[in-house]
Amino acid sequence: AQSVTQLGSHVSVSEGALVLLRCNYSSSVPPYLFWYVQYPNQGLQLLLKYTTGATLVKGINGFEAEFKKSETSFHLTKPSAHMSDAAEYFCAVILPNTGNQFYFGTGTSLTVIP
Amino acid sequence: EPEVTQTPSHQVTQMGQEVILRCVPISNHLYFYWYRQILGQKVEFLVSFYNNEISEKSEIFDDQFSVERPDGSNFTLKIRSTKLEDSAMYFCASSEAPAGGIGRNEQFFGPGTRLTVL
Repeated sequence: AQSVTQLGSHVSVSEGALVLLRCNYSSSVPPYLFWYVQYPNQGLQLLLKYTTGATLVKGINGFEAEFKKSETSFHLTKPSAHMSDAAEYFCAVILPNTGNQFYFGTGTSLTVIP
Repeated sequence: EPEVTQTPSHQVTQMGQEVILRCVPISNHLYFYWYRQILGQKVEFLVSFYNNEISEKSEIFDDQFSVERPDGSNFTLKIRSTKLEDSAMYFCASSEAPAGGIGRNEQFFGPGTRLTVL
């Protein structure tokens, strides 16, 4: 079974500081990888995804993530945090061509300190 | 911009009662999903639906649950006899292509329905 681990259920950064949210997966086959963001009282919004090709993917709002097969990781970064980045972030994986079941991590709540 | 909508935003029910959670997926999408998120826990897959039938379901999706696309726009999740442990946020999602394929497989999520079972 798939497993997604997000280290740190709560992360606090100062405005303007680097944001790093960690995601590791367990799979012998490289999965498709996703980061979703959830703002208060809203649904999940796709930030970025990796399926094939370039391992560094850029998403919306200045976020990017790098797929590292050797580390089974897909960490999310943003060079400079903004107050509007405060939200819940979820990493998710799916095995290609095996169905429609997403496996989500437990989420990381990002707080941005002014 | 098209979006997935869900009603109601909050549903309170008594244990043993039936509830129906409603979703309107994005109009040109063909694949539909339900997820749930128990407070403080991860988002969990319940079921996927394509071509008027269930294509995949998790072990959570037992006989108490059913899904239906009663018309061309709505996609519903029914819980026949609610239990306390069914209290959660339920998310509907839709996509153009299957989640496990490449291309337009992005799942668009609705804002969720918070179900509280008393």
